[in-house]
Amino acid sequence: GAVVSQHPSRVICKSGTSVKIECRSLDFQATTMFWYRQFPKQSLMLMATSNEGSKATYEQGVEKDKFLINHASLTLSTLTVTSAHPEDSSFYICSASGGGSLNEQFFGPGTRLTVL
Amino acid sequence: TQLLEQSPQFLSIQEGENLTVYCNSSSVFSSLQWYRQEPGEGPVLLVTVVTGGEVKKLKRLTFQFGDARKDSSLHITAAQPGDTGLYLCAVSTSGTYKYIFGTGTRLKVLA
Repeated sequence: GAVVSQHPSRVICKSGTSVKIECRSLDFQATTMFWYRQFPKQSLMLMATSNEGSKATYEQGVEKDKFLINHASLTLSTLTVTSAHPEDSSFYICSASGGGSLNEQFFGPGTRLTVL
Repeated sequence: TQLLEQSPQFLSIQEGENLTVYCNSSSVFSSLQWYRQEPGEGPVLLVTVVTGGEVKKLKRLTFQFGDARKDSSLHITAAQPGDTGLYLCAVSTSGTYKYIFGTGTRLKVLA
């Protein structure tokens, strides 16, 4: 149980285009989903928290208009990187939490974004 | 901002050796998670510890939560190349489901 998928696993795009990344909880309902960014050889950096049916909460320094998050259902959240630039190239990882007292998050396999 | 320090940052050992990774903070937490992440993949949950002094075992991995619930350790016995990866501890911030991740320990086990 507790499987989270991400699509695509890898994407290469041209500078100025937008890229959408999907995150799905496959076998549980995720009350909360999280989006992280990870730079090479570093730990995970939280970008935003999204709850189904409400606006995402962004961490300080993360541009809301740059990284659009939609949490349309209890099993799907999307991250759209708008007008991508080379500095947006990174490894993006989502996680999902079904709630519960242990506060456990289950992570997707990540999406490698390369902006040319 | 709560800080979660892990040590060591990097560790390279031979197959069969034992090792311990530490996760320390000055804050008290209700629970703490350990994850392992392999290159190009997402973190995989290894264990959640909840009670002060709690010890949990997962095959050759032994996890301990400090008595005061401020720190934790991960001990690996007879390490194998398959244990290679980035080990991350994580805690939830008060009143939310948000995680704070530790700084990470990158382990490499040589055959």
